[in-house]
Amino acid sequence: KQEVTQIPAALSVPEGENLVLNCSFTDSAIYNLQWFRQDPGKGLTSLLLIQSSQREQTSGRLNASLDKSSGRSTLYIAASQPGDSATYLCAVSNSSASKIIFGSGTRLSIRP
Amino acid sequence: GAVVSQHPSWVICKSGTSVKIECRSLDFQATTMFWYRQFPKQSLMLMATSNEGSKATYEQGVEKDKFLINHASLTLSTLTVTSAHPEDSSFYICSAHDSPKQPQHFGDGTRLSIL
Repeated sequence: KQEVTQIPAALSVPEGENLVLNCSFTDSAIYNLQWFRQDPGKGLTSLLLIQSSQREQTSGRLNASLDKSSGRSTLYIAASQPGDSATYLCAVSNSSASKIIFGSGTRLSIRP
Repeated sequence: GAVVSQHPSWVICKSGTSVKIECRSLDFQATTMFWYRQFPKQSLMLMATSNEGSKATYEQGVEKDKFLINHASLTLSTLTVTSAHPEDSSFYICSAHDSPKQPQHFGDGTRLSIL
């Protein structure tokens, strides 16, 4: 059974710092991995999608890496801004038709 | 980009009431829609998967007679919480995709509060 874990559960850093969010999964036979952002009381916004054959994806100040063999992914946020404050969710899918398994998220707070 | 609209965004009702939540794909045909539930400070838990024109597949522990799902068209799925009770209060989110190889697109969620 696939399980997804995110550490830390909460993180607070001053504006401008670079930071890394961690995600680990128990079953390395994944189809893809996604990072989402969720603002309080809102739905999910997809940030980056990494296919199982890829090692990383980049979008602006965000970079996500994937190491299937070790069951890990990281989300790197460069030059953090207060607007980056949100909950970041990692989610994996084990096949093209299977459900998404979400981690419990990291609540990120960027202090001005 | 693909847009999924969810309605209503917030509903408060008395215990025993049945509540219907709609999920629409606005610019694509959603062959599959997913319904999730999220309790405060917890992650999303899949409740059921629905394919257009067929019965929904429910996750273990989710009562199909309490959470009625209808996916009658390629652009609309509904979740009805029947005889809702305070313990059903939660944030319900739907998602949809037009192909299994495409990422799911999420709605903005519905906050359900049962008094």
